[in-house]
Amino acid sequence: AQKITQTQPGMFVQEKEAVTLDCTYDTSDPSYGLFWYKQPSSGEMIFLIYQGSYDQQNATEGRYSLNFQKARKSANLVISASQLGDSAMYFCAMTLSFISSGSARQLTFGSGTQLTVLP
Amino acid sequence: GAVVSQHPSRVICKSGTSVKIECRSLDFQATTMFWYRQFPKQSLMLMATSNEGSKATYEQGVEKDKFLINHASLTLSTLTVTSAHPEDSSFYICSPLGQPKEGNTIYFGEGSWLTVV
Repeated sequence: AQKITQTQPGMFVQEKEAVTLDCTYDTSDPSYGLFWYKQPSSGEMIFLIYQGSYDQQNATEGRYSLNFQKARKSANLVISASQLGDSAMYFCAMTLSFISSGSARQLTFGSGTQLTVLP
Repeated sequence: GAVVSQHPSRVICKSGTSVKIECRSLDFQATTMFWYRQFPKQSLMLMATSNEGSKATYEQGVEKDKFLINHASLTLSTLTVTSAHPEDSSFYICSPLGQPKEGNTIYFGEGSWLTVV
């Protein structure tokens, strides 16, 4: 079974600074997808970024980038130029197989990291 | 715009009553629907998986007779919490799986906060 580990329950960052949220995963399946979601206090799950296990390059989406180190089984999220609106809970998640083929399975989530951006 | 619509966003019900939560996929046909539950300050945990037109598959520890899931069409799935108790108070959120609208994204509904008093 797959497992996602987020070791930082809470993180603080100064506005306009960069911050890295850690995520490690464990699976024996060679095909998987890694996600990061942002969950504000309202509860909605906001998709941030996706990395496929066979992707050669690290994913980037605006201020978000994913530091994918396959050998170490880590998929850290880097948020550049933090904004006050970035304060939220962040979840790392994994699905086996590829969603682009419509064959993805359910997401397994980490325990989350509460990020607070300080003015 | 939203591709998944979930209602109600918040509901308070009395202990012993039933509550129905609806999840609609707006832009694509959801062949599979995942239902997750999130207790305060915890992560999302999968409750059940339903495929259109067939019975749902429940995760270990989730009572199938208490959490009724109906996935009668490719755009609508419902979760009914029957005989709700205060310990069922939680955040429930759906995630449909179908042909992605764009790129590699798994969508979620807005979620439903259930409070049982």
